[in-house]
Amino acid sequence: TQLLEQSPQFLSIQEGENLTVYCNSSSVFSSLQWYRQEPGEGPVLLVTVVTGGEVKKLKRLTFQFGDARKDSSLHITAAQPGDTGLYLCAGGVSDYKLSFGAGTTVTVRA
Amino acid sequence: SQTIHQWPATLVQPVGSPLSLECTVEGTSNPNLYWYRQAAGRGLQLLFYSVGIGQISSEVPQNLSASRPQDRQFILSSKKLLLSDSGFYLCASAGGADTQYFGPGTRLTVL
Repeated sequence: TQLLEQSPQFLSIQEGENLTVYCNSSSVFSSLQWYRQEPGEGPVLLVTVVTGGEVKKLKRLTFQFGDARKDSSLHITAAQPGDTGLYLCAGGVSDYKLSFGAGTTVTVRA
Repeated sequence: SQTIHQWPATLVQPVGSPLSLECTVEGTSNPNLYWYRQAAGRGLQLLFYSVGIGQISSEVPQNLSASRPQDRQFILSSKKLLLSDSGFYLCASAGGADTQYFGPGTRLTVL
């Protein structure tokens, strides 16, 4: 059973459109991370959010941590083909371990 | 910042053969290290983690084992590979605030 549920599983949009990916749980996390992974490569950390209600912006990407620290969202404005990839959320479950969601595959068509 | 090296990048092995995947870390000392396996286009399954030399914790009973002979070296092994061992194996090193940094991965195909 996965602690973190990501939705949607797949998302295909046209260049220039906006998209939102969700990461939900019934558990409270001390922090939550978002990673992006391209085929055949390791995940790359995008952001870490630690405070309930926190909003972080990274260029066209906006990350939000829920007030109760149980959920998070990733919003991409004016998506570009370079945003294509597998987006993974992960939450700390102990001092040493992360629990990962199953991921959302995003495809941005030129 | 940390750099994680993994090799080989790709490996094709017959069923029943042994396995050794290596991971080394630069830019940090005494890191927590992790081995994950990833099915195609899906999330990461934690296999092993280590908080220090010789200290290994197993998350999933399976055909694999891990060792940490040096502070920044983590090895994933098997004595006899199964078809179900095929997958994408990722090594990670812990950073601050629960973050982890990943290597480029090893694609293992067992035939």
